[in-house]
Amino acid sequence: DAGITQSPRYKITETGRQVTLMCHQTWSHSYMFWYRQDLGHGLRLIYYSAAADITDKGEVPDGYVVSRSKTENFPLTLESATRSQTSVYFCASSGTGTNYEQYFGPGTRLTVT
Amino acid sequence: DQQVKQNSPSLSVQEGRISILNCDYTNSMFDYFLWYKKYPAEGPTFLISISSIKDKNEDGRFTVFLNKSAKHLSLHIVPSQPGDSAVYFCAATGGGADGLTFGKGTHLIIQP
Repeated sequence: DAGITQSPRYKITETGRQVTLMCHQTWSHSYMFWYRQDLGHGLRLIYYSAAADITDKGEVPDGYVVSRSKTENFPLTLESATRSQTSVYFCASSGTGTNYEQYFGPGTRLTVT
Repeated sequence: DQQVKQNSPSLSVQEGRISILNCDYTNSMFDYFLWYKKYPAEGPTFLISISSIKDKNEDGRFTVFLNKSAKHLSLHIVPSQPGDSAVYFCAATGGGADGLTFGKGTHLIIQP
């Protein structure tokens, strides 16, 4: 299906475990982003990528790792999950035009117990 | 330190009337402003945007106004419809590969 997809949609994991959230887009957009949404904070940028093999930190990168070996995929890994990483995670992508619109996936609700 | 502020957590408007959602920002480097709409258990959906070189942009029932000197923007929805009930996020960016900086959102409730 065309668009941007995330998997899994829901995940429960234990403290200290490694977990990877997947993001896939079919538009061949250059830019991809990871945000987390928490009550009282809106959406905050974790990491972003301008192209394959180019990634950079956002506002709240600690405890997260990203990679982008292919343009269409942008996985987010929590190396050792903590309870403070319980959140809803959104992936987004945008093209290289000047309107800066980002298109969001449906989100992954992650609970760390 | 919040760079994008939406000071009204919720707003209730009667169906058919105008809804006005407000947003303030502090970073003068922001060059582009966007509004997103979000339903529960879904990702944010792009609604309308405005460049800093403009003061108004209109798309159907939605109009965004930008006052650069006051660092303030507003989203007008007229007439308001039941399907407009959602959380609305204001966002800003300096452009390029910059991510979006979001406000905390305003929950708009359209009453019949």
